[in-house]
Amino acid sequence: EVQLVETGGGLVQPGKSLKLTCATSGFAFSSAWMDWVRQSPEKQLEWVAQIKDKSNNYATYYAESVKGRFTISRDDSKSSVYLQMNSLKEEDTAIYYCTDIGTTDYWGQGVMVTVSS
Amino acid sequence: DIVMTQAPLSVSVTPGESASISCRSSKSLLQSNGITYVYWYLQKPGKSPQVLIYRMSSLASGVPDRLSGSGSETDFSLKISRVEAEDVGIYYCGQLLENPYTFGAGTKLELK
Repeated sequence: EVQLVETGGGLVQPGKSLKLTCATSGFAFSSAWMDWVRQSPEKQLEWVAQIKDKSNNYATYYAESVKGRFTISRDDSKSSVYLQMNSLKEEDTAIYYCTDIGTTDYWGQGVMVTVSS
Repeated sequence: DIVMTQAPLSVSVTPGESASISCRSSKSLLQSNGITYVYWYLQKPGKSPQVLIYRMSSLASGVPDRLSGSGSETDFSLKISRVEAEDVGIYYCGQLLENPYTFGAGTKLELK
């Protein structure tokens, strides 16, 4: 059974940091390109970041809205992908999903991040 | 960035009737390999998005053939025949041609 489980969300003040973890199992994680997609309280979906696999040198890509503040990484030995979020803003408030969107399109259940003072 | 424009924003359908959702991209989603990189997702209440249609017209695993996707390079549609209760939710089109991937605003389907 395929599982993607996101953890690490919560309530954080503007300017602070948070690190999300997506632990996966049941599929070929090491060859998967992994993404983070978020959904605002208004239900708009926004792609956040992508990390490719080892054969593609773990190349990373970011949405302009998070570039320089967020860092995506992965640990193939743990079948996990991470999202380090720094200098958080109120507009980063969303449900964050990890997914291999565009391939087998597995999605986690999502984790809520609320940025508020 | 490629802009995805969906219509309508909401639709109310009688069970057993059909529904159609449109999506337009600001740039051609047809790649030189002949594949059109538009995807359709359904988010059921309280759930994560799930893929319905990939590469414009291919039905994802487990998706009933009452659903179908079609289109051209920039204009796309999702058709749901014989709407059932399990079809309720928010439908999104998305382009996966290039980063940043972008999505439409969503179409909320409810039953009359």
